[in-house]
Amino acid sequence: DGGITQSPKYLFRKEGQNVTLSCEQNLNHDAMYWYRQDPGQGLRLIYYSQIVNDFQKGDIAEGYSVSREKKESFPLTVTSAQKNPTAFYLCASSPFAATYEQYFGPGTRLTVT
Amino acid sequence: GIQVEQSPPDLILQEGANSTLRCNFSDSVNNLQWFHQNPWGQLINLFYIPSGTKQNGRLSATTVATERYSLLYISSSQTTDSGVYFCAAGTASKLTFGTGTRLQVTL
Repeated sequence: DGGITQSPKYLFRKEGQNVTLSCEQNLNHDAMYWYRQDPGQGLRLIYYSQIVNDFQKGDIAEGYSVSREKKESFPLTVTSAQKNPTAFYLCASSPFAATYEQYFGPGTRLTVT
Repeated sequence: GIQVEQSPPDLILQEGANSTLRCNFSDSVNNLQWFHQNPWGQLINLFYIPSGTKQNGRLSATTVATERYSLLYISSSQTTDSGVYFCAAGTASKLTFGTGTRLQVTL
């Protein structure tokens, strides 16, 4: 089955700890994205990557870091520098060739206390 | 950056009614998508429509790029249509999301 997987579905951490969220796709898409969603809000772009070993900051990159060592994987680290890390995190990918249509994974709900 | 506004913010319909959701955007775009977010948070792709008109069953969408708006039509609504509908617009790499239209379809 082709798709985007995110793990875990729910994640709980203590304040001050770094945490890494996983995102994997087997759609052979070139581009991958990380978004954050707060309750009652739309999604905001954190980071995106169009090719392996390259990525760009989105609108709210402070306190986050990413890597893109493989085409199919784009992990997001929420660092202790992120002031309000509790949120719903969504990963997406797109072909970035004939079409820019983005497809989303099921998301990870992160709670930091 | 680009601004995306959706209206109405909330909508309550009786089953069988039709509705129109609107998305205004502030700049030229080459990517515009409509999504339905289900109660578990999953974003379901409805349309990729930077311009023109598309139909898929009871849903259709029209984007008038020159006037910077897009419309999503839902006909003969069903309770399973309930949820939040998002419009997202932007360039190839960067999508900006609106704050959504929360739709509730009642029996």
